[in-house]
Amino acid sequence: NAGVTQTPKFQVLKTGQSMTLQCAQDMNHEYMSWYRQDPGMGLRLIHYSVGAGITDQGEVPNGYNVSRSTTEDFPLRLLSAAPSQTSVYFCASQQSSGNTIYFGEGSWLTVV
Amino acid sequence: GENVEQHPSTLSVQEGDSAVIKCTYSDSASNYFPWYKQELGKRPQLIIDIRSNVGEKKDQRIAVTLNKTAKHFSLHITETQPEDSAVYFCAASLGWRDDKIIFGKGTRLHILP
Repeated sequence: NAGVTQTPKFQVLKTGQSMTLQCAQDMNHEYMSWYRQDPGMGLRLIHYSVGAGITDQGEVPNGYNVSRSTTEDFPLRLLSAAPSQTSVYFCASQQSSGNTIYFGEGSWLTVV
Repeated sequence: GENVEQHPSTLSVQEGDSAVIKCTYSDSASNYFPWYKQELGKRPQLIIDIRSNVGEKKDQRIAVTLNKTAKHFSLHITETQPEDSAVYFCAASLGWRDDKIIFGKGTRLHILP
C-alpha cells in the first residue's frame, strides 16, 4: 500500500515551459486535491476533485489545469510556467472532505 | 468562501512548558477542524481533529478545543518535548463530500532546551 505517490520530486523549469506533476493513490479515495506551499503562506488549495470526472477550483487555480479520468490519478498541469509558480506542491487524497488527508511527499518546483 | 486565520505565526516555548495555537474561521457552517503537523522537509500529517458536535478532544499531550459561537478553535500541547518542534496547520471544512478544505498559514513552533 503506497498511499499517495507524486512525481517528480524535484524539477527546474524555464519560464514559459509546460509540465505535468503526476499523482496517484491506491487507497480508493474519492477526494483528491493539489496544494502549493510557500513560506509564510501555508497550504493553499489549487484544485480538487470529489470523484472521477469531477474537478473544481480551489483558492489559487490560475495557471494550473487538472483532470480526473480515473479514481487513482489526479495530474496537475502547468500550462506556461512563471517564476511565481516556484513552490512546493503537495498532492493529497482522502475519503471525503471530513476525513484525514493523506499527503504525498511533495514536489519541489523551481521556475527560472 | 471559508477563511481561516491562524496565530501566532511563530511560537517559542521552553521544553516542558505548554504551547497554544489559535485559529478562527469565517463560515459558521463549517463542522470539521483538523490539525496537521509538518516536520522540516516532510509532508503534513494529521495529529488531531474535532467536529462541531464536540467541544474538546484530547490525545495524550495534545488537545483541541472548539468554540462554535466565537468561531475559533485552539491546539494545546502540554509538557512540550524537542520532537514537538515543527510547523502546525489548522484547517476547516463543511465536512461534506463537495466541500473545500481551507488551511491556516501555519505556526512554526520552536521548543527551547
